[in-house]
Amino acid sequence: DSGVTQTPKHLITATGQRVTLRCSPRSGDLSVYWYQQSLDQGLQFLIQYYNGEERAKGNILERFSAQQFPDLHSELNLSSLELGDSALYFCASSRGAVATNEKLFFGSGTQLSVL
Amino acid sequence: GIQVEQSPPDLILQEGANSTLRCNFSDSVNNLQWFHQNPWGQLINLFYIPSGTKQNGRLSVTTVATERYSLLYISSSQTTDSGVYFCAVESKGGSEKLVFGKGTKLTVNP
Repeated sequence: DSGVTQTPKHLITATGQRVTLRCSPRSGDLSVYWYQQSLDQGLQFLIQYYNGEERAKGNILERFSAQQFPDLHSELNLSSLELGDSALYFCASSRGAVATNEKLFFGSGTQLSVL
Repeated sequence: GIQVEQSPPDLILQEGANSTLRCNFSDSVNNLQWFHQNPWGQLINLFYIPSGTKQNGRLSVTTVATERYSLLYISSSQTTDSGVYFCAVESKGGSEKLVFGKGTKLTVNP
């Protein structure tokens, strides 16, 4: 167990809908990262938050947004869902930021299926 | 951005065999990590190794930062080693994100 908690484990929804994925980092970790894993794109970095502030942004669509709350948990909001958004969404955490040579620990992921 | 190439893409072994997985990267790195994704999808951090050599049981890794590659060695492989092995790097350009390779899918047969 990595100590990173993601909910829900599975999510099935329809096109056009909006969903929220939740992540609780390991105790003491300040950074939260979101990654998307699909068969064709592999593991793609979406966004990073550090102590409540957005720190780095990757290939995140405008339909997607995220935030990190004062208790350091994070939520990833996906809206106007399309079939192509079906993927495994991972949250990861670290003590600081990866630029400070931190190890990354992943949650078990949320499998999103858009029908 | 930084490019990460892993080889081979697929590897099939008999239990007890040894293997070497390679990760090449296109730029100098601050951070390099190896992960194992098991058949249930869980991503497990194996090593943090931007340079040098480390060992953990049957697994060892060597990163030669000046030549921009890292090698993961698996000795006396077991069926539980099956899964996908990913190399991930963060470039010294300060992108502050780990970029993942496409992985090596390892299958260890009994």
